[in-house]
Amino acid sequence: AQKITQTQPGMFVQEKEAVTLDCTYDTSDPSYGLFWYKQPSSGEMIFLIYQGSYDQQNATEGRYSLNFQKARKSANLVISASQLGDSAMYFCAMRGKTSGSRLTFGEGTQLTVNP
Amino acid sequence: EAGVVQSPRYKIIEKKQPVAFWCNPISGHNTLYWYLQNLGQGPELLIRYENEEAVDDSQLPKDRFSAERLKGVDSTLKIQPAELGDSAVYLCASSSNADHNEQFFGPGTRLTVL
Repeated sequence: AQKITQTQPGMFVQEKEAVTLDCTYDTSDPSYGLFWYKQPSSGEMIFLIYQGSYDQQNATEGRYSLNFQKARKSANLVISASQLGDSAMYFCAMRGKTSGSRLTFGEGTQLTVNP
Repeated sequence: EAGVVQSPRYKIIEKKQPVAFWCNPISGHNTLYWYLQNLGQGPELLIRYENEEAVDDSQLPKDRFSAERLKGVDSTLKIQPAELGDSAVYLCASSSNADHNEQFFGPGTRLTVL
């Protein structure tokens, strides 16, 4: 079984500042992938970043970086230089080897960027 | 390139009525997923197709839900009869066999059952 926990229902950040969204996971799979998705009010899930469990380096995609701490089973998303358009719901998800390509999502964090 | 297309975007029905949702994945994507997203929660997988074969439908409530992907391209998800608790967003996603790491999602269908 896989479980994703996002303990921050809501987060606020000032424009141009950095923000960290927390994600912890639990799995018995030796090989797995971790994902972050953004869901704006329009409803579409937008893929942001991926981290493989055997990747040596933390993933980065533009202003997004994933702080992967395998021993702690955490995969926090860091957004640098926040923009007003970053206001959205953010979901952490994982996929284990035994689950095929099924994604297990957390409950999400609502990020609000203030001007 | 067009993304994942879903229709309708919104649907309001009375309980006990049937309803159907349609999804057209990204061209060339062999894998298609239907997710259910309740308000304030993350999506949960209902069913996954590899081409026309349903390879993971363990979370699909088969007493009232059904899905098909007859030609391995577009797909339909049906609920019959709908219950009040079915009010949610139904998301469709697709991925290519070459890279299951990135699932592309459609805009979803928001269902309201009265």
